[in-house]
Amino acid sequence: SYVLTQPPSVSVAPGKTARITCGGNNIGSKSVHWYQQKPGQAPVLVIYYDSDRPSGIPERFSGSNSGNTATLTISRVEAGDEADYYCQVWDSSSDHPNWVFGGGTKLTVL
Amino acid sequence: QLQLQESGPGLVKPSETLSLTCTVSGGSISSSSYYWGWIRQPPGKGLEWIGSIYYSGSTYYNPSLKSRVTISVDTSKNQFSLKLSSVTAADTAVYYCARHNVGIQYHWYFDLWGRGTLVTVSS
Repeated sequence: SYVLTQPPSVSVAPGKTARITCGGNNIGSKSVHWYQQKPGQAPVLVIYYDSDRPSGIPERFSGSNSGNTATLTISRVEAGDEADYYCQVWDSSSDHPNWVFGGGTKLTVL
Repeated sequence: QLQLQESGPGLVKPSETLSLTCTVSGGSISSSSYYWGWIRQPPGKGLEWIGSIYYSGSTYYNPSLKSRVTISVDTSKNQFSLKLSSVTAADTAVYYCARHNVGIQYHWYFDLWGRGTLVTVSS
């Protein structure tokens, strides 16, 4: 099955830019979706189709995808952005549709 | 606005069947734009897709769980349900139901989630 690799943790100072990566074999050929999960809460979709933002998600959240790496970028990071972030794609290598998540990255705001 | 709510026992004995229901409110489950999915998260770990169902009953299952999973839908009640058989401690997790947005090919995503319910497998 298709494996998505995320760094376990990323730290950033308030006001700076955080970049969270999601690695996978030729992931640039897939559509990557990103979720934010705060402690004790359900995940929330923050980016879909690589770079689209659902309504209500701040413009500070953006995404890109090329080659073997997709990236979630959070500009002007705020304390409220501290959360776990997961990437997700469709695993097209399976006989039947299968959707997989990365292992998650904990974003710490220093 | 549309909301999803999981319900079911919080404790299941090993080797028994875990059963959960997701009730959709504020909108119809019978939409051509969505499947309806189950995702789980063991304590302190990441997310795992379990399976998804269309209002017509069409299903997709995670290959690693397929032999133990059954997902069904009841459009009259605006609900869909999960059954996971022969559970072990490894099935202890928070179980989420979510709306699975049908997009380009199978590049689908989960755009709305329930709050989740913790199911513990223990005797």
